[in-house]
Amino acid sequence: GDSVTQMEGPVTLSEEAFLTINCTYTATGYPSLFWYVQYPGEGLQLLLKATKADDKGSNKGFEATYRKETTSFHLEKGSVQVSDSAVYFCALSTSSTGANSKLTFGKGITLSVRP
Amino acid sequence: DTGVSQDPRHKITKRGQNVTFRCDPISEHNRLYWYRQTLGQGPEFLTYFQNEAQLEKSRLLSDRFSAERPKGSFSTLEIQRTEQGDSAMYLCASSSPGGRSGYTFGSGTRLTVV
Repeated sequence: GDSVTQMEGPVTLSEEAFLTINCTYTATGYPSLFWYVQYPGEGLQLLLKATKADDKGSNKGFEATYRKETTSFHLEKGSVQVSDSAVYFCALSTSSTGANSKLTFGKGITLSVRP
Repeated sequence: DTGVSQDPRHKITKRGQNVTFRCDPISEHNRLYWYRQTLGQGPEFLTYFQNEAQLEKSRLLSDRFSAERPKGSFSTLEIQRTEQGDSAMYLCASSSPGGRSGYTFGSGTRLTVV
């Protein structure tokens, strides 16, 4: 079945450090890929998405590129801020309707950014 | 529109009791989803509705669980004869037709079974 594997956490960085959070997936067909973020006390929010191979999703300085050859969708940010402290989830959907269907999530990783 | 609302935010119940949670989606969204999230895990799909029709249910949704969306607006998730293993965060989400922008999640209902 479909699955998403995220690197083990938590991750603690200093402000302005470079961030990489690894995500790999197993899926039938050609999934759409997503990163969701959950800030303390809030619901999950879509951070970015990519719907086909080599697409790059980007938002709020975060980027992730859909790599079909390595089945990966790693999240990167060049300079993190304290306000980026949150839990980050990688997810996929294998429906043809993409974002409007059932999601399979990874376990999530907690990012803490020190001033 | 204030987004997806879930009620209650927290529920503590004794083992064996029944509980019911409510989700109010964004008004123009026709799809509504329920997920369960346990500590240290990502959300797991339970079921979803398109309007009032329940189109898919996960194997995680045992016979003790039932979800409804009677008028295609709000939804309820009932758990009968709760067990300690039911303790989790129950998340509701909704999406619009086409859903290009993805889901909008509610803040969840945290259930603790004692």
